[in-house]
Amino acid sequence: GENVEQHPSTLSVQEGDSAVIKCTYSDSASNYFPWYKQELGKRPQLIIDIRSNVGEKKDQRIAVTLNKTAKHFSLHITETQPEDSAVYFCAASSSGSSNTGKLIFGQGTTLQVKP
Amino acid sequence: DVKVTQSSRYLVKRTGEKVFLECVQDMDHENMFWYRQDPGLGLRLIYFSYDVKMKEKGDIPEGYSVSREKKERFSLILESASTNQTSMYLCASSPGPLFNQPQHFGDGTRLSIL
Repeated sequence: GENVEQHPSTLSVQEGDSAVIKCTYSDSASNYFPWYKQELGKRPQLIIDIRSNVGEKKDQRIAVTLNKTAKHFSLHITETQPEDSAVYFCAASSSGSSNTGKLIFGQGTTLQVKP
Repeated sequence: DVKVTQSSRYLVKRTGEKVFLECVQDMDHENMFWYRQDPGLGLRLIYFSYDVKMKEKGDIPEGYSVSREKKERFSLILESASTNQTSMYLCASSPGPLFNQPQHFGDGTRLSIL
């Protein structure tokens, strides 16, 4: 079935360094890829998303890249800050239910930014 | 701003009880979803609904049912609660019928089954 694999499961960086989280997906018809950030005890919140008609999207310190041929996409956070510490989830749209907005989520990456 | 409200943040129930988790959204979204979140497993889809009275099974529907009598409300029902249903439950909504729209989440209900 449709599957999204996310790596690494945990990531620890020094403040100011960059962090990269990678996801691969199995459904070649997927065309929407959001990223969510979940701080401890809070709801997941959308931080950036990309659609399959573009290869890269940036929003300040956050960027996402998409390689449709290889079926993988990545989240890049530059100049990390302690408040970036959270669990990050990638997701890919499912073509099986094309008008329902169903997403397949990755397993999550716990990012720790050390001051 | 979209608001998805779950009726309880914390809930403790006993094995065999029938448990209701309620979710309400205020943005007239067509799509609503129920997930459970467990460490290392990410968000797994239990059930979703794309219209009133319509429902579809997600990846882990066993032991659960849902109800959507009104557009803004989506209920998750544990027919006979078991200890392996102890988890964090998240509700989400998204606009439709256009797909590929962001999902908006509630704060979650941490359910413990004793």
